[in-house]
Amino acid sequence: AQSVTQLGSHVSVSEGALVLLRCNYSSSVPPYLFWYVQYPNQGLQLLLKYTSAATLVKGINGFEAEFKKSETSFHLTKPSAHMSDAAEYFCAVSRGGGSNYKLTFGKGTLLTVNP
Amino acid sequence: GAVVSQHPSWVICKSGTSVKIECRSLDFQATTMFWYRQFPKQSLMLMATSNEGSKATYEQGVEKDKFLINHASLTLSTLTVTSAHPEDSSFYICSARETNTGELFFGEGSRLTVL
Repeated sequence: AQSVTQLGSHVSVSEGALVLLRCNYSSSVPPYLFWYVQYPNQGLQLLLKYTSAATLVKGINGFEAEFKKSETSFHLTKPSAHMSDAAEYFCAVSRGGGSNYKLTFGKGTLLTVNP
Repeated sequence: GAVVSQHPSWVICKSGTSVKIECRSLDFQATTMFWYRQFPKQSLMLMATSNEGSKATYEQGVEKDKFLINHASLTLSTLTVTSAHPEDSSFYICSARETNTGELFFGEGSRLTVL
């Protein structure tokens, strides 16, 4: 079975400050890991994904995440927060590509950015 | 980029009626689509996996007679909420897996309100 734990349901940062959203996973097989962003009343947009290649993954909008197997973590970071980064962020895990590509999502972290 | 369209975006219906939500991949073929349900301020819960030309695979606890899924073509999957009740009110999101690349794309979501 797979699971994802996002530490902190709500993170608040000042504009220009470092963004750190935490994600820990549990998987019985080498995982594929994802970060998605959701704006109010919208679907999900992929920020970045880890699929067993480079452990430091760069995504869109200046976000990046590092896969640390020893810590079973895949934390999302951005050096400098922008007001437009305010949204809900979901970490997700899958068993791999495969034919079904089922994702298990974390509970989400709401990021607010203060001016 | 690839686009997945959901229709309708918003729907309000009376208790006891049925509502159909469409999920279309606009510029790619999707052998597999997924339907999720999202309660307010919560994560996405996978309801079922929809495979073109075959029966959908439902997750444990999801009533297949309540949530009818049809995937009649490589670009369209539909979710029909039958005999809707207020507790079915939710945000329903679909995702489509591009057949050639395996990439996953999400729709914008459909908000169902049952009165």
